Amino acid sequence: GAGVSQTPSNKVTEKGKYVELRCDPISGHTALYWYRQSLGQGPEFLIYFQGTGAADDSGLPNDRFFAVRPEGSVSTLKIQRTERGDSAVYLCASSQAGGGSPLHFGNGTRLTVT
Amino acid sequence: GESVGLHLPTLSVQEGDNSIINCAYSNSASDYFIWYKQESGKGPQFIIDIRSNMDKRQGQRVTVLLNKTVKHLSLQIAATQPGDSAVYFCAEMNTGGFKTIFGAGTRLFVKA
Repeated sequence: GAGVSQTPSNKVTEKGKYVELRCDPISGHTALYWYRQSLGQGPEFLIYFQGTGAADDSGLPNDRFFAVRPEGSVSTLKIQRTERGDSAVYLCASSQAGGGSPLHFGNGTRLTVT
Repeated sequence: GESVGLHLPTLSVQEGDNSIINCAYSNSASDYFIWYKQESGKGPQFIIDIRSNMDKRQGQRVTVLLNKTVKHLSLQIAATQPGDSAVYFCAEMNTGGFKTIFGAGTRLFVKA
């Protein structure tokens, strides 16, 4: 079956603009995660959904970042008033049950804020 | 200050040799550990996992060793191939929660 799909694969935006990044998880996976990866570093946890609700959003850096998963499948990460420091690869992952299951990652969205 | 993350630890091995990649994890409450492989332009890919009630687990050409006493994890790759060239991340999780924490990564170069 299809893996985790993320769109767009690349996004260039100007400082101050609003962006939305989309994630389609593997069908049937109830757990969905967003991570951010800067060059040369490991993925950094942002937020975790179990079903429709955000079970842990402790990794969101500030209130400019928000994520939703209204129907328990597709998720959107929203960034308001983008800053150059937001430039990174944003990775989405899903898993079957959350705790104790490996993550299945998409190929990420490379966000560049100019 | 300098960002040490910009300079990934690097391991260079000859094709056909065995590779050992080491990782120190941070949380003594972590009870599930995973190794991921990341190729350029792609997301991390699951390789092998191990739970805290085990100290060794083998897969196809890969073995993971866990030493809980010193909070150390290692990944052994047998007969390393050029296709194994990538960045390898160890990750830890406390299954009472759901957050997977990644280490900084090691870049593996395989010389033909």
